[in-house]
Order: sequence, then structure tokens, then C-alpha cells
Amino acid sequence: DAGVTQSPTHLIKTRGQHVTLRCSPISGHKSVSWYQQVLGQGPQFIFQYYEKEERGRGNFPDRFSARQFPNYSSELNVNALLLGDSALYLCASSYGQGDEQFFGPGTRLTVL
Amino acid sequence: QQQVKQSPQSLIVQKGGISIINCAYENTAFDYFPWYQQFPGKGPALLIAIRPDVSEKKEGRFTISFNKSAKQFSLHIMDSQPGDSATYFCAAYRNFNKFYFGSGTKLNVKP
Repeated sequence: DAGVTQSPTHLIKTRGQHVTLRCSPISGHKSVSWYQQVLGQGPQFIFQYYEKEERGRGNFPDRFSARQFPNYSSELNVNALLLGDSALYLCASSYGQGDEQFFGPGTRLTVL
Repeated sequence: QQQVKQSPQSLIVQKGGISIINCAYENTAFDYFPWYQQFPGKGPALLIAIRPDVSEKKEGRFTISFNKSAKQFSLHIMDSQPGDSATYFCAAYRNFNKFYFGSGTKLNVKP
């Protein structure tokens, strides 16, 4: 069985641009969460989606948004990119909202 | 405000030794405390987790000790091996819609 997949693997953008990151959960999983991991720090929670509805949100500005599709895949969108948005963006899926999370390998975003 | 504080930042242990990583939290509403292991270029992987109604949980060489009154929990890795060299994160969850991670401990097990 395939694990959580994320695309793209790496991405380079310039300040002010917009970016879309994608996540496919493990088959059968209905919950997807997004995290930002700055180099040398622990992951910071951004969003959780369950059954296509937002169920949790971390302390991130409105430039960050996400959605979950009927097939339970998810997109994270970041507008008006700042240098400080450079990080590894992790997606994690779980069967239900309260179940063990399985993390993908992440998307490395560099903002120049 | 950092919700979960983790120490030490880095740790060097000889093969066969015990690795101990500590975490402290403030919010008594947290109800699930997992530990994750992360290798370079990979996402974190769940190692072991505990709920606050239990004081200790052991799985193989990994043990979580939980002190509810002190709001602290720790990971013990017995008989540490070079393959255990990785970054370890503690985390605390609240209602499974709020997740907070520690800052990480880089463990290096010397052969």
C-alpha cells in the first residue's frame, strides 16, 4: 500500500507569488492535516480537514488556506509568499479525526 | 508561547546506553502525547504514544514515562543502537484538532 504522497518534492518561488501544494492520503483515510516545519524546529500545525470540512486551524495568517476534495486528497495554498514561508510542508493522514497520523515526506518550499 | 518544551536539543549516547529525552507542557487540556522519530529527508513517524490516565507505556526498547502532576513526559530508549540516530519530537494533542510539537532532539548513537 502506498503511503502519504505529496507533490511537488521541491519548489522554488519568489516573494509575492502564490503556491499550491498537494497531498494524497493513504487509501481509506478521511482526515488530512498540514504542518510547516522550519529547519531545525518541530512541525507547526496549520490545518486539519476531516470529511472535507475544516476541523482545526493553527496560528497562521489568512494567506494560508486549504481544502479537501471528495477523494480526500488535499491542497494547501499560500498567497503573497514571504521569505519566512521557506520550510518543509508536511501532510499527514489518518483514518478518522482521532486516529494515528501518518506523515508524508513533505514538500520543500524555498522563497527567494 | 511555546506549548511544548523539549530538551535536550542534542544528545550523544554510546551504543548500548540509555537515551532520555524530556518534554514539558502547560495546557492541562492536552489528552494525547505521542513521540515521533524523523530521519533526514523523511516525514516524522509515530514511535509510541500515551494518554494522561497512564503513567508509563513500554513498546520494545522504547518507554514513555508520564508525570501528570508535573506536566512532564519523557522518552527512554534502552540499549540504544546506531540505527536509532535521528531527530525525535514529542507532541501534545488536544481534542485531535490542535497539535503542538516540541522543538526536537537530535540523537547520535556512537558505535
